[in-house]
Amino acid sequence: DIQMTQSPSTLSASVGDRVTLTCRASEFIGYWLAWYQQKPGKAPNLLIYEASTLESGVPSRFSGSASGTEFTLTISSLQPDDSATYYCQQYNSYSLTFGQGTKLEI
Amino acid sequence: EVQVVESGGGLVQPGGSLRLSCAASGFTFSDYFMDWVRQTPSKGLEWVGRSRSQLRSFTTQYAASVTGRFTISRDDSQNSLYLHMHSLNTEDTAVYYCARGPYCTSTKCDPSPFDLWGQGTRVTVSS
Repeated sequence: DIQMTQSPSTLSASVGDRVTLTCRASEFIGYWLAWYQQKPGKAPNLLIYEASTLESGVPSRFSGSASGTEFTLTISSLQPDDSATYYCQQYNSYSLTFGQGTKLEI
Repeated sequence: EVQVVESGGGLVQPGGSLRLSCAASGFTFSDYFMDWVRQTPSKGLEWVGRSRSQLRSFTTQYAASVTGRFTISRDDSQNSLYLHMHSLNTEDTAVYYCARGPYCTSTKCDPSPFDLWGQGTRVTVSS
C-alpha cells in the first residue's frame, strides 16, 4: 500500500496566521490527492481534490499544491472555525490510504 | 437533500457478525462507486472497501485487513449499500462511515475522493 505521512502531527497557531500542512506519499501518485477537515464527532469533510482544486463551498483561504510526492495544504489567514484535524488521502491506487492527520489548534 | 445515512452498529462479541447499512438519497446512487471507511483513535482513517457501479460490473475491493471476513453488497433499487462483517475481532472496533466515491458516466469512471460521508455508526467488538 502507498503510505501517506503527514507533518506536523500537531500545530498550534493564532487567528490570522498563515499555516502550511504537509503530506508525503511513499510513491508517485500524480495529482490524485485529497484533503479533508474533520471536527470532533463529525465525519470528514472534503476540502481539496486533485491536489489543488477547491471543493465547492470551501473558503478560498484554503489552497493546495503539489511537488512530486509532496503535497501541501495552506490556510492563508486562520479563522477560529479552522480548528480541526486535517487528513490527506491518495486515490491513485486501488487500495486507498489516508495520512495519520494533523491536529490544528487555534 | 443529498445524504447517506448509516445504521446497524452496536456491540458484538469477538468472532461474531454484524451487518451495516447505508441508505442514500438525493442523488443517483447507481451511478456511483460507494465505499466504507472506518476510524479508530489509534489507526485514524482506514479505507475498508469499495462497491463499484454497474458500469464496472458491480465489482468489489477490500483492504487487506478485512479481506475474507467482510463483504460489501449494494441494492441499487433500494439506494442502499451494505457491509457484512464476520469473524469480528477487537481491532474491528471503530466508527464506520459510508462514503460516496467516483461518479460514472455511460462510458467511464474518473478517479475521485469521497465527497459525501454519512454521520458514521459505531461498532464495538468486546466480550
